[in-house]
Amino acid sequence: AQSVAQPEDQVNVAEGNPLTVKCTYSVSGNPYLFWYVQYPNRGLQFLLKYITGDNLVKGSYGFEAEFNKSQTSFHLKKPSALVSDSALYFCAVRDEYTNAGKSTFGDGTTLTVKP
Amino acid sequence: DAGITQSPRYKITETGRQVTLMCHQTWSHSYMFWYRQDLGHGLRLIYYSAAADITDKGEVPDGYVVSRSKTENFPLTLESATRSQTSVYFCAAALGGQNFETQYFGPGTRLLVL
Repeated sequence: AQSVAQPEDQVNVAEGNPLTVKCTYSVSGNPYLFWYVQYPNRGLQFLLKYITGDNLVKGSYGFEAEFNKSQTSFHLKKPSALVSDSALYFCAVRDEYTNAGKSTFGDGTTLTVKP
Repeated sequence: DAGITQSPRYKITETGRQVTLMCHQTWSHSYMFWYRQDLGHGLRLIYYSAAADITDKGEVPDGYVVSRSKTENFPLTLESATRSQTSVYFCAAALGGQNFETQYFGPGTRLLVL
């Protein structure tokens, strides 16, 4: 079984400050983890993924995420937020024992970056 | 390179009517997916397909039918629309496999069932 949780519905940060969007997961085996971003009235866009290897994953638009197996977390981070980063962010997970492609998405976190 | 297109982008229908949402990819990605997005529920998988003529149920398949006779097309049919099926529907495609599982999403179809 697999599940993912995004504990914060809303995250507010000031432009130029670091941002963190939290994600925790539960799987039976090893996790495959993903972050997607959705801008208003658009489909989701892939940001980054963790499959195996280095725990720190770098992705698009300056975002990165750290895989922490002991805390079962995969938090999304950016050192300096931009107003244009304001969007809805989704974390997704797939258990290695689940059919390929059948990921479970979190409910999403709305990030608002204020000038 | 258009990627994934969905049609129609907006649809208003009445309860009990049959509705088909179209999804087309310009690649030849093996996997295709249908999700619905509702406030407070994030994205929920309706059906997915690992290849042409291979489909499987997701989390919320009831009331929906899919087919995939060609790799590039994955239509979703609401057999008898209900108000609870008012939602935004997203189609996605992925290469598949451990290292190629990134999903690419279409722009979505907003469906209103009256």
